[in-house]
Amino acid sequence: DVKVTQSSRYLVKRTGEKVFLECVQDMDHENMFWYRQDPGLGLRLIYFSYDVKMKEKGDIPEGYSVSREKKERFSLILESASTNQTSMYLCASSLGDRGLLGYTFGSGTRLTVV
Amino acid sequence: QQQVKQSPQSLIVQKGGISIINCAYENTAFDYFPWYQQFPGKGPALLIAIRPDVSEKKEGRFTISFNKSAKQFSLHIMDSQPGDSATYFCAASSTGYSTLTFGKGTMLLVSP
Repeated sequence: DVKVTQSSRYLVKRTGEKVFLECVQDMDHENMFWYRQDPGLGLRLIYFSYDVKMKEKGDIPEGYSVSREKKERFSLILESASTNQTSMYLCASSLGDRGLLGYTFGSGTRLTVV
Repeated sequence: QQQVKQSPQSLIVQKGGISIINCAYENTAFDYFPWYQQFPGKGPALLIAIRPDVSEKKEGRFTISFNKSAKQFSLHIMDSQPGDSATYFCAASSTGYSTLTFGKGTMLLVSP
């Protein structure tokens, strides 16, 4: 089975800090995604990537950036964390066109910005 | 912006009952409709998916019904069990647009 591993389960950061959320997948998937999940708002796409060094903005990219230097790793960066970025962050990967074989999600990182 | 509207936001069903979650979309280019299931503390996982060339797909107790003319699709969980208690997300995507658009989710509680 594909495994998507997010480096931290819980994080607490201070306002203004630069925050790195790491995600690694072990099945050579081309596509990787970062979503945030908030109650009542569902899953909202922040950024995604089809290939190494390639990135595309999702629906809510403001305040975030990403890095994909290796195929298996996709990092989400909060340049200057703010309290409205307190959320559950989910990384996902998929193989091929539109993830028709399904997205595989990590277990999430719950980030609290104080 | 592409949208998928999901209802209800939460649902309580007795054990053995039928759980029904509905989704509606506007973009007629959507041609792939998966459902994801998320248990507390876990990421969502693909449950079942359908393409618009069929009106229904069944996998065990889970059935997707699809109405292309109404631009609606729904998930039916037959003989609902407490272990089905989870959050369910519908989603959609279209050829040439490589990401999924998710609904806002439905929290299902199946009471014993």
